[in-house]
Amino acid sequence: ILNVEQSPQSLHVQEGDSTNFTCSFPSSNFYALHWYRWETAKSPEALFVMTLNGDEKKKGRISATLNTKEGYSYLYIKGSQPEDSATYLCALGDSSYKLIFGSGTRLLVRP
Amino acid sequence: KAGVTQTPRYLIKTRGQQVTLSCSPISGHRSVSWYQQTPGQGLQFLFEYFSETQRNKGNFPGRFSGRQFSNSRSEMNVSTLELGDSALYLCASGAGQGFFSQETQYFGPGTRLLVL
Repeated sequence: ILNVEQSPQSLHVQEGDSTNFTCSFPSSNFYALHWYRWETAKSPEALFVMTLNGDEKKKGRISATLNTKEGYSYLYIKGSQPEDSATYLCALGDSSYKLIFGSGTRLLVRP
Repeated sequence: KAGVTQTPRYLIKTRGQQVTLSCSPISGHRSVSWYQQTPGQGLQFLFEYFSETQRNKGNFPGRFSGRQFSNSRSEMNVSTLELGDSALYLCASGAGQGFFSQETQYFGPGTRLLVL
């Protein structure tokens, strides 16, 4: 059974700070890693789907890297803004038609 | 394109009752998944359907069931409700055109169920 760990559990930063958080997983059978942003009272929003070791994705101020050999992915936010406040979820896609989610990192950006 | 819609958004039931939740996927999407979120827990997988066939089921009791219709809309049913079934139920749709694991899943806003 794949187990997805996210750290830290929560993070408070000042507006303008850059921040990053980690998604860890056993380096074994999975085919993709997904990152989602989930704002309160909204639907989880897909950020990235990453499939290859060394894969890097970028969307505006947010970027992500994937290291499948060592079993981690980092999500970076450059120059955090209050609107970045949300819970960030990572999930593994294995061979069985489901996503396995971590418990998320809750980010609060103070103005 | 309209996003994933879920009805109802909020629901209050009492123990022992049953409930049916509905999910309409993005137009053209053929895969629908359901997840449960309880306080302090991550999203837990319930089931996935593709073209009216259940391809996977999570580790939930038989009181949890689902189905998918020919128009890809999906329903999930929980019978004999227990207090612990109080949760946010999310559905997600995917195009179903490639590898599921590598395909973006688009989530609805969820149905919040409270069991008293």
